[in-house]
Amino acid sequence: EVQLVESGGGLVQPGGSLRLSCAASGFTFSDHYMDWVRQAPGKGLEWLARIKNKANSYTTDYAASVKGRFVISRDDSKNSLYLQMNSLKTEDTAVYYCGDLGSGIWGQGTMVTVSS
Amino acid sequence: QAVLTQPSSLSASPGASASLTCTLPSGINVGTYRIYWYQQKPGSPPQYLLRYKSDSDKQQGSGVPSRFSGSKDASANAGILLISGLQFEDEADYYCMIWNGSAWVFGGGTKVTVL
Repeated sequence: EVQLVESGGGLVQPGGSLRLSCAASGFTFSDHYMDWVRQAPGKGLEWLARIKNKANSYTTDYAASVKGRFVISRDDSKNSLYLQMNSLKTEDTAVYYCGDLGSGIWGQGTMVTVSS
Repeated sequence: QAVLTQPSSLSASPGASASLTCTLPSGINVGTYRIYWYQQKPGSPPQYLLRYKSDSDKQQGSGVPSRFSGSKDASANAGILLISGLQFEDEADYYCMIWNGSAWVFGGGTKVTVL
């Protein structure tokens, strides 16, 4: 069964940092491009970042809203995807999903709340 | 602000057909893109429905009923998700998405109500 499980969400103060993890199973993780997407409460979907596979040099792309603050990375030996989030703002409060959007694979999401 | 324009809501009766549009900005030709469609129910992650570029380049999501289908309206520069034989379980938010070469771009979503 194809599965993605996010972890690492929680409550953090404005200006703080958080690292999200995404554990993959049931498919050849190393072959896939992987993405992070978020959804603020009651709002739509916002793509954040993508990392390509080894064959494509692990190239990364970022949305303008998070470029310079968030860093996407992966460890194929651990079938894991990560999102390092720095300088967090209240507007970063959202459910964060990992996935391969082009293949239709999504995790269940992890909630991040940025509040004092 | 979503770059892809979707109507915010749509209501239809059970058994009817619903046509959801996803309009691309002028200057971006819908014919160039694969349009992806997702369904999201409250409290759940988005579920992949299908992608459509042309009749020869399309994919149905695993387990997705054939009453969900994709198409395009070139004259409107829009992708279309057609839901035939609406069921109460189809009540959800629907999002379209494209890859623009450097980013995934989502529509704002259409809330479908079955009543």
